[in-house]
Amino acid sequence: GNSVTQMEGPVTLSEEAFLTINCTYTATGYPSLFWYVQYPGEGLQLLLKATKADDKGSNKGFEATYRKETTSFHLEKGSVQVSDSAVYFCALSEGAGGTSYGKLTFGQGTILTVHP
Amino acid sequence: EAGVVQSPRYKIIEKKQPVAFWCNPISGHNTLYWYLQNLGQGPELLIRYENEEAVDDSQLPKDRFSAERLKGVDSTLKIQPAELGDSAVYLCASSSSFKPYEQYFGPGTRLTVT
Repeated sequence: GNSVTQMEGPVTLSEEAFLTINCTYTATGYPSLFWYVQYPGEGLQLLLKATKADDKGSNKGFEATYRKETTSFHLEKGSVQVSDSAVYFCALSEGAGGTSYGKLTFGQGTILTVHP
Repeated sequence: EAGVVQSPRYKIIEKKQPVAFWCNPISGHNTLYWYLQNLGQGPELLIRYENEEAVDDSQLPKDRFSAERLKGVDSTLKIQPAELGDSAVYLCASSSSFKPYEQYFGPGTRLTVT
């Protein structure tokens, strides 16, 4: 079945540091890939997505590139802010036509804390 | 635009008691999801509705869990009887039928079973 593995956390950084959160996946076919973010006390929010190989999703300074050859979708940001402190979830969904199209499979989440 | 609304936000019950969670999705979203999130884990799908129809309930423990979405809008998830292992956060999400992977999540209900 489908699965998503994220790097072990938590991650603690100083403001303006470079961020990488690793994500690898196992899936049949051609899944779509996502990063969701959960700020304290709030629901999960879609941060960015990529629907095919070599696509780059980006939003709020975050980027992730869909690498089919390495089955990865690592999240990066060049300069983090205190306000980026949250839990980040990598997820995948089967592509259109799959029996579970739209069903999200999540990784375990990575807690990011950014200090001033 | 209002987001996904869930209630209650927190619930503490004794084991063997029943409990129910309510969700109101974003207006116009035909698809509604219930997820279970254990501490330190990502959400896991329990059930997915397309309008009133449960199209994927394969992960729902049907011996004690039930769900309904009678008018294709809001939904209720019930556990009867609750067990200690049911302590978790129960998340509701909704999406448009045209973009099922762009799901909008509510804040969740944190259940503690004592």
